[in-house]
Amino acid sequence: DVVLTQSPLSLPVTLGQPASISCRSSQSLVDSDGNTYLNWYQQRPGQSPRRLIYQVSKRDSGVPDRFSGSESGTDFTLRISRVEAEDVGDYYCMQATLWPVTFGGGTKVEFK
Amino acid sequence: EVQLVESGGDLVQPGRSLGLSCKTSGFIFGDYGVTWVRQAPGKGLEWVSVVRTKRYGGRGDYAASVKGRFSISRDDSKSIVYLQMNSLKTEDTAVYYCVRGARGLDVWGQGTTVTVSS
Repeated sequence: DVVLTQSPLSLPVTLGQPASISCRSSQSLVDSDGNTYLNWYQQRPGQSPRRLIYQVSKRDSGVPDRFSGSESGTDFTLRISRVEAEDVGDYYCMQATLWPVTFGGGTKVEFK
Repeated sequence: EVQLVESGGDLVQPGRSLGLSCKTSGFIFGDYGVTWVRQAPGKGLEWVSVVRTKRYGGRGDYAASVKGRFSISRDDSKSIVYLQMNSLKTEDTAVYYCVRGARGLDVWGQGTTVTVSS
């Protein structure tokens, strides 16, 4: 199975400052169709997960443009350009290129 | 509005069975696979099972941890997905989410809680 290693486990942030989360894959996530099925999810306390980013860098409808995704080989990054209060929660990367679908272990974003 | 609503979660004893349902609305059900993802208390997300569209044979796939014990099915006439869970173990205790898609996993339900305990 593909292992997704997220770092850091915990990310203390400051309002208005940038933040980034890393997700490293144990294998290439480029599919035979040319797409890379790497998504990012946000889970606020007490809520269901919400998809923010799909196929590495495509932002879902309604997701603020302060969220962005990028890749460099098998390393993927979720960036928040300016952290806002509502961004507190857990963030997960997920790959669906290779079966079974796997998730990263999660990163907890909290205020300093 | 796309909606997925899970039901059927309960407290059950180890070794017993339980069935979950996921009722969907707001989209063309037959065009989408549907996935179950679970989250144990205080833990991360774990992919459990997927049922593909009829176009792809309506086939189900399972995580190794549940293969042989869980069975997924879909009723396209009712826009519902079922997850039958047999021989339940304490480690199956989790919130079970129903999610639209086999790869996109774009819209999530609110979850239903399964507790396996004696």
